Amino acid sequence: DAGVIQSPRHEVTEMGQEVTLRCKPISGHNSLFWYRQTMMRGLELLIYFNNNVPIDDSGMPEDRFSAKMPNASFSTLKIQPSEPRDSAVYFCASSLSQYNEQFFGPGTRLTVL
Amino acid sequence: QKEVEQDPGPLSVPEGAIVSLNCTYSNSAFQYFMWYRQYSRKGPELLMYTYSSGNKEDGRFTAQVDKSSKYISLFIRDSQPSDSASYLCAFSGTYKYIFGTGTRLKVLA
Repeated sequence: DAGVIQSPRHEVTEMGQEVTLRCKPISGHNSLFWYRQTMMRGLELLIYFNNNVPIDDSGMPEDRFSAKMPNASFSTLKIQPSEPRDSAVYFCASSLSQYNEQFFGPGTRLTVL
Repeated sequence: QKEVEQDPGPLSVPEGAIVSLNCTYSNSAFQYFMWYRQYSRKGPELLMYTYSSGNKEDGRFTAQVDKSSKYISLFIRDSQPSDSASYLCAFSGTYKYIFGTGTRLKVLA
């Protein structure tokens, strides 16, 4: 298996632009997580899906952030409009179930100018 | 008080040294205790996992949990340059993982 796949690996955009991050979980995994990692705050959970349904979005910082999981093999995290403080590394992780080991993708490094 | 506290380092040690990495936590509901390793520009990967107090050993790595003191440790014996990475402690009671900010370790050849 290729592991969790994320795209793009790097994204540089200007303030106010829409940003879409993509994730393909490991086949057969029912749980998907989006995280954000910064030096100051470390790794923080943004949203958790189970069987394609959002279960916990309490970590989404504000309405500018939205996430979807239209099917078991694809999820997106969208930021609209983007701001410089959104600059971070965004990770997607998946697991067999909510109680199993989470496998992380390589991350998307986002820079908002 | 933060839910998880971890010294960010950096920690530099010579090859072959014993490394001790530590985290404290405040939430008594945590049942699972983990250590993730993260190489530069990569995603975290699970290194050690335990759910009880005491020690768990895997090769050169030993994870120690003290629930009464709310303290966990990771020991690395005979450290190698390939161990140079950030080490994140992680805790959970359910699906939600709470991560430490990570300790950067550099093992010098």
